[in-house]
This record gives sequence, C-alpha cells and structure tokens, in this order.
Amino acid sequence: ILNVEQSPQSLHVQEGDSTNFTCSFPSSNFYALHWYRWETAKSPEALFVMTLNGDEKKKGRISATLNTKEGYSYLYIKGSQPEDSATYLCAPDNDYKLSFGAGTTVTVRA
Amino acid sequence: KAGVTQTPRYLIKTRGQQVTLSCSPISGHRSVSWYQQTPGQGLQFLFEYFSETQRNKGNFPGRFSGRQFSNSRSEMNVSTLELGDSALYLCASSSDSNTQYFGPGTRLTVL
Repeated sequence: ILNVEQSPQSLHVQEGDSTNFTCSFPSSNFYALHWYRWETAKSPEALFVMTLNGDEKKKGRISATLNTKEGYSYLYIKGSQPEDSATYLCAPDNDYKLSFGAGTTVTVRA
Repeated sequence: KAGVTQTPRYLIKTRGQQVTLSCSPISGHRSVSWYQQTPGQGLQFLFEYFSETQRNKGNFPGRFSGRQFSNSRSEMNVSTLELGDSALYLCASSSDSNTQYFGPGTRLTVL
C-alpha cells in the first residue's frame, strides 16, 4: 500500500471562486492515478484516470494535471458551485490495488 | 446498466460473531475490489478478485476473507468480529482494472 498525501485536508471556497489542491504519491512503479469525488451519503464517483506524465484531464469545471516524475497531481475547480461540495480523493494504482489518500473536503459557500 | 449493488446496506452484529457481505458488480465487469472505511481513516484496500481469483490483498488480518463466483458476484467474510471492525465496507467493480465503480456500501456496526 502506497503512502499518499492530500493537502489541504479541507478548504472553504466562496461560490464562484476557483480553487485547487494537491495529491502526492511515490513516483516509482507508477501505473495510474485516479481521482474520485465523494459526496455525503453517496458512493465515490470516478472523475479521472490519468496515466501519462504531463497528462491533463477535464470534466466540466473540474480539471486535473499529473506529474509522474515528481509524484504529484493537482485538481482544479473553476468557478466553484455549491454542488462541488464533496471530498475529493486521489488514489495511485499499483498492481490492481488503489491506495487512497485521506482526501480534501471542499465546502462551497453560497 | 444497473450499478454496483451491495447487500445488506446496514448490519448490526456483536463481538465474536461472523458476517458475510455481498457485492454484485456491474454486468460484464470481472474485477471486484473491497475497501474498508473507518472514522478518521481513508479508504483501506482489502482485496481484489478477478475471474474468481484473488489477485491482490491489503494488510488486513486473516479474519477478513473473500471470494468471487463464476457470475462475478463477490462476498467478503469477517470472522470473530471485533469492535474495530465497525466500518463502512465498499465494493467496486471494474471491466479493465482502471476506472472502478463503487457500490453504496454496507454499514457494519459491531456491539
């Protein structure tokens, strides 16, 4: 199981503002990195699977970048909306098992 | 397509008992993974099955076991329950071991 760090642990954002947060993971033996969004009382929802260094993925107002050489990924939310309030989890994929970070909990204030 | 289903959704057991949780993957998915989430902890990987074979295992004691059937449905079993086993247990299915689709989870309470 890999050591995965996400920062910050939580953040509060005003509606309409943009924000970003970090996922750090061991860069050796990298296979893929997953991002999930987990809303209260729901199942974790897959956002992105990223495999290549320099990869950039986008889904609506949410985007992510990946640096496999230094072992980090950023997730960006542009123009935050209340429905973006959730815990965002990253998980490097190592030999068919995901090692989840503790997540960044985003609260968007209207 | 129906999503991942887990039964039961809630369960209360007492220490020393055993429990079996069930997971039905999305049709066509052959990989099923199990995770545990306890208060203050992130999702912890338990094990992953593919075509009835355990391919990978996390760092959990032998009291935690699982299996997968020919129709890809999976069960996990916890024997001799301890208070610390109280958790949300999630399963996830995948067609290619990339994107995993999670079920709603089973909330286990051990008294």
